[in-house]
This record gives sequence, C-alpha cells and structure tokens, in this order.
Amino acid sequence: KNQVEQSPQSLIILEGKNCTLQCNYTVSPFSNLRWYKQDTGRGPVSLTIMTFSENTKSNGRYTATLDADTKQSSLHITASQLSDSASYICVVSTSNTGKLIFGQGTTLQVKP
Amino acid sequence: KAGVTQTPRYLIKTRGQQVTLSCSPISGHRSVSWYQQTPGQGLQFLFEYFSETQRNKGNFPGRFSGRQFSNSRSEMNVSTLELGDSALYLCASSDSGGRLEQFFGPGTRLTVL
Repeated sequence: KNQVEQSPQSLIILEGKNCTLQCNYTVSPFSNLRWYKQDTGRGPVSLTIMTFSENTKSNGRYTATLDADTKQSSLHITASQLSDSASYICVVSTSNTGKLIFGQGTTLQVKP
Repeated sequence: KAGVTQTPRYLIKTRGQQVTLSCSPISGHRSVSWYQQTPGQGLQFLFEYFSETQRNKGNFPGRFSGRQFSNSRSEMNVSTLELGDSALYLCASSDSGGRLEQFFGPGTRLTVL
C-alpha cells in the first residue's frame, strides 16, 4: 500500500535553533517527492520538489534531502524564525498515475 | 501571474443542504485537483480534472462531484451535506497534473451545522 509517514507529529523549538523533519514513504513506482509549508487556514506552498536522481535541494533556509534507496526524506530548517511556525507536509507522487500521496504533516511551533 | 483563487472563502450550511465551490486556476494551467483537509485525516484527494475530463478520483462518496469548464475553471459540488463534511476544501492547479508542481489556492472553509 502506498503510504507516507512523517515524524515527529509536532515539534516546538526556540527561535534561532535548527530542526529536522522526517518523511518515510512506501510509494511505488516513485516519481517525485515534495515538501509543502502550510500556514494555519491557508493553502500549502511548495518548498522543494525532488526527483529520483536528486538527493539534496535547498530553498533559502530550507534544505531537503532524499535517499531513494531507503525511501526516506528529511527537511532541515536552519536558524528558525517565528514565521516558520506552520505545518510541513511531505507528498510523494507516483509515476504511473501521477497521484499524490500525502503525509499527515508535522506541526512546527517556533517560540521566541 | 495571478495565483489560484477560490470562492467563497467561508461558507456555513446546514445538514441536508448542497453546496458549490469554485476554483479558478493559474492562467494557462489545465489541471485542477480538489482536496479535503480535516484535522483528523489530513489532506485527502477528491478528484482531478484535466481539459474538462475527470482524470483521477479519490475514495469519496458520490455526493462529491465536480466539473471543469472550457476556461479551466472548476466547480465542486457536495450534495446532502453531513456534519463530517466540515473541512477546508483546497484546489490546486498545475500545467499537466500531479507530475509537475501544483499550486494551491487559499481554500474554502465549509462549516456544516
């Protein structure tokens, strides 16, 4: 069964600290993996998209990694800011149907 | 380019009523996907339309339906509303569907009383 599991479910960190969010998937055949940031009450916004051949991609203070062999991805946030408080959703796309499989998300709270 | 727009942003209905939500994709995008988001279930795929045809469908009852017009604008309809239909309904557009990046709208918050 195609699944995307994210951990931790929620996380609280202090402003300025780094953190890493995890995503494990069992989606096959794999097409790409995306990380989205969703502020409360708003639609998700894309942070990164990685295909099978990419193992790192950065977007400002956000760096995503992908290990296609172990089917794991991580999103590292550097020097966190209060505005990073949001849900972070890992999404994997299958290459045969193009369907997206969503993780349940990690809720990050950055405190001053 | 203007982003994805959804109307209305907020809606309150009572059980048994029906509702129609609208989504205007980014200009030039032909694929529109609809999602339901609830605190307990996360984001769940409803259906995808591409060039006025339903291309993919999630596991939702027949009360949930949609359509796409020739200008790529899409509508989603929910009939005989239930309390459990209260959710944030998101639409996302892309150039060719899930194979490329999707851009989400702000969502319509539906409350069923």
